[in-house]
Amino acid sequence: DAKTTQPNSMESNEEEPVHLPCNHSTISGTDYIHWYRQLPSQGPEYVIHGLTSNVNNRMASLAIAEDRKSSTLILHRATLRDAAVYYCILRDAGGTSYGKLTFGQGTILTVHP
Amino acid sequence: EAQVTQNPRYLITVTGKKLTVTCSQNMNHEYMSWYRQDPGLGLRQIYYSMNVEVTDKGDVPEGYKVSRKEKRNFPLILESPSPNQTSLYFCASRTRALNTEAFFGQGTRLTVV
Repeated sequence: DAKTTQPNSMESNEEEPVHLPCNHSTISGTDYIHWYRQLPSQGPEYVIHGLTSNVNNRMASLAIAEDRKSSTLILHRATLRDAAVYYCILRDAGGTSYGKLTFGQGTILTVHP
Repeated sequence: EAQVTQNPRYLITVTGKKLTVTCSQNMNHEYMSWYRQDPGLGLRQIYYSMNVEVTDKGDVPEGYKVSRKEKRNFPLILESPSPNQTSLYFCASRTRALNTEAFFGQGTRLTVV
């Protein structure tokens, strides 16, 4: 599975934007970039995914570099409820992994009031 | 409401006493999987199932069994639990399409003494 690299932790203030980076220099052409987050005492929760173009949904935006070797998850206005571990995952569309989600250590996001 | 339901949420058991953790989804998803989450090791896949009667090993299958007799259910069976299976377990489901989100259960915290 292609590997991702994320900072161990980041901090933000409430109502400010947060940019969570992810490096994936070995990404293949068929890998989708997925983001999940895990709130305290809960299961992982889907946030957003993309292939080549930037994506927006009600939770966040995903900015993908032109060479696809990095991406950034953008939370436009952080709230206390956004404090979680954020995982950047490459999902293989081919091969024998059947699109397995391989979780790394993720980024622990702390949001200050 | 779309959901993945795991039971029980918490379980303390003794070494060697067979147990089953149930997982049920109401979204008619073909793909289901089990993960365990341990401090410092992150989330690791135990087993997965592509459809009814089709199961395969994930990254850490030793000591576990699964079955998929119905599409909605994917129980995790520990025939002879040991203390090193003390962990937080998550069940997940999704459609077979690779660019869709996975849904996770709330987790089962298992302690084997």
